[in-house]
Amino acid sequence: DAGVIQSPRHEVTEMGQEVTLRCKPISGHNSLFWYRQTMMRGLELLIYFNNNVPIDDSGMPEDRFSAKMPNASFSTLKIQPSEPRDSAVYFCASITGTAASNTGELFFGEGSRLTVL
Amino acid sequence: AQSVTQPDIHITVSEGASLELRCNYSYGATPYLFWYVQSPGQGLQLLLKYFSGDTLVQGIKGFEAEFKRSQSSFNLRKPSVHWSDAAEYFCAVGARLGDKIIFGKGTRLHILP
Repeated sequence: DAGVIQSPRHEVTEMGQEVTLRCKPISGHNSLFWYRQTMMRGLELLIYFNNNVPIDDSGMPEDRFSAKMPNASFSTLKIQPSEPRDSAVYFCASITGTAASNTGELFFGEGSRLTVL
Repeated sequence: AQSVTQPDIHITVSEGASLELRCNYSYGATPYLFWYVQSPGQGLQLLLKYFSGDTLVQGIKGFEAEFKRSQSSFNLRKPSVHWSDAAEYFCAVGARLGDKIIFGKGTRLHILP
């Protein structure tokens, strides 16, 4: 299995621009999580989906952030407009949600490092 | 709501010495507890987990952790660290399988030669 795939790995953009981060979860995993990592705040949960449905988006910092999961194999996290304080590493992780096969282990992508100038 | 506290931001130990990383959680019921490790520039990898049963759990790379309900703790231990253990370690808690998993802020481990 290829693991969780995130793109782009690095993004440098200017304040005010739209940023779209992409994630392909592991095939068969039906829960997907978006986390943001910064030195100050650590690893924050932004939003998670079960079976493509957003379950908890209470961690999304503000309306500039939005996330979608149009199908089981793809999710996006969009920031519009971006600001310098959005600079962070954004991780996507997936897990199987079925009771029979759920080991509890989150599988992480390698992250997307975003720099907003 | 569940939360996790890792009181040590940085820890430095000598190679070959023993290690204990602290983790305290807040949750009303018996939580699902995890330790993950992150190497520089990488995503997180699961070291070990506790769901129920034996309160001392073994993980990969020689790590173990002990769940202590009375202290709301889940400390990570290793009897003898190796230089390759230098990384950032995260404790995490979940309410149940398939639910959200909340991470502590992490402890960065430095190894002295």
